Amino acid sequence: AQSVTQLGSHVSVSEGALVLLRCNYSSSVPPYLFWYVQYPNQGLQLLLKYTSAATLVKGINGFEAEFKKSETSFHLTKPSAHMSDAAEYFCAVSDLKDNQGGKLIFGQGTELSVKP
Amino acid sequence: DGGITQSPKYLFRKEGQNVTLSCEQNLNHDAMYWYRQDPGQGLRLIYYSQIVNDFQKGDIAEGYSVSREKKESFPLTVTSAQKNPTAFYLCASSIAANPGTNYGYTFGSGTRLTVV
Repeated sequence: AQSVTQLGSHVSVSEGALVLLRCNYSSSVPPYLFWYVQYPNQGLQLLLKYTSAATLVKGINGFEAEFKKSETSFHLTKPSAHMSDAAEYFCAVSDLKDNQGGKLIFGQGTELSVKP
Repeated sequence: DGGITQSPKYLFRKEGQNVTLSCEQNLNHDAMYWYRQDPGQGLRLIYYSQIVNDFQKGDIAEGYSVSREKKESFPLTVTSAQKNPTAFYLCASSIAANPGTNYGYTFGSGTRLTVV
């Protein structure tokens, strides 16, 4: 069955350090891929999405992600962490069994902490 | 501005009561979804609807019911049969796409339900 795996339920970095959040998917064909961010007691907000136009995708707040088909990965990075980046991050993939399109499968989430 | 509105933000329920969570969108999206979020468990799909007057069970539909009488509205009822309803509930919507395409979700800000 199709799935999304986020390695590490908690990641902690220092302010100014590189942020790397890992996401691997299982799919026989390149899917559509998404990263969402969730701040406490709020809904999810789209950070960026991969739709096959370019393998390196730039999103909001300085985040970017690279689609690597050979590794079935879509890791999220940011060169320099800011205190305001502390949140939970979800990777999601389009559900290829969804005959009408639109449905997503979500990873378990990674909580990012940023230390001063 | 177009968006998706969930109400109320906080809801308290006595054991044995049914409660209904509201979700309204003015994005003209075809598909709508309900997710339940518990700490450390990511997002779990309760129900989804890709067209008016039709909906499908998700992974954890037991103890919940929905209706989709209007394109804009997708209310979720948490029935007394749901044994552990305390959670954060998220509603989302998306453009129904052709199979193999996906535009991602727009999320509401969530409703936190607590059983007292």
